[in-house]
Amino acid sequence: NAGVTQTPKFQVLKTGQSMTLQCAQDMNHEYMSWYRQDPGMGLRLIHYSVGAGITDQGEVPNGYNVSRSTTEDFPLRLLSAAPSQTSVYFCACARDSSSYEQYFGPGTRLTVT
Amino acid sequence: EDQVTQSPEALRLQEGESSSLNCSYTVSGLRGLFWYRQDPGKGPEFLFTLYSAGEEKEKERLKATLTKKESFLHITAPKPEDSATYLCAVQEGSARQLTFGSGTQLTVLP
Repeated sequence: NAGVTQTPKFQVLKTGQSMTLQCAQDMNHEYMSWYRQDPGMGLRLIHYSVGAGITDQGEVPNGYNVSRSTTEDFPLRLLSAAPSQTSVYFCACARDSSSYEQYFGPGTRLTVT
Repeated sequence: EDQVTQSPEALRLQEGESSSLNCSYTVSGLRGLFWYRQDPGKGPEFLFTLYSAGEEKEKERLKATLTKKESFLHITAPKPEDSATYLCAVQEGSARQLTFGSGTQLTVLP
C-alpha cells in the first residue's frame, strides 16, 4: 500500500497562474481533506470530502476548488495563484467522517512569485 | 481567539531527560483530542486519540493524558529519534474537521 500520495513535491508558480495539486489514496477511505501549513500557524483546513461526489469548505477555502469524482482521488485546484498561497499543502484521509485518525501525504511545497 | 494552544514552542532535552508537552484548548463540547508527530519535510503521523477527561494512552516512550482543559504528552527517557514536531488537534462537537495547534518542536540531544 502506498497510502496517500501527492504530486508534485515542489512547485513554483507565477502570480495569476493556475494549477492542480494531485492527491490519491489506496486505503479505500471515505473522508479526504486538504490542509495548508504555514510557519507558526499550524495546519488549516482548506476543503474536505466525506465521500465521492460530496465536498465542503474548511477554514480557508478562498482561492481553491476541489472535486471528488472517485473515492481514491481528491485534487486541489488553485484558480489564480497569489503570493499568499505560498505554503506547504497536505492531503489526508480517514476511514470515514466519524474517524479523525487521519493519514497524511508527504506534502507539496508551493511557492508563488 | 486561539482554540488550541501548544507550549512550549520549542524544547531541547538531553537524551534520557523526561519532560512533558502541553496542549490547552478552549472548545466546548470536545469530541476528541488528537496527537500527531511530524518529521521535517514529511506529513504528520497519527499517534493518539483521547476522548474523555482522565483517559490515558501510551506508545513506547510517549504517554498522552487528557483533562477538561488540556492534554499532556509525556516523554519518558527520550532518545534522539524522538526529535520531531508534535502537533495537537481537537474536534469540537459535530464539526467535521480538526483544529490544530501550531506544534512543539522537540529536539533530543545525544
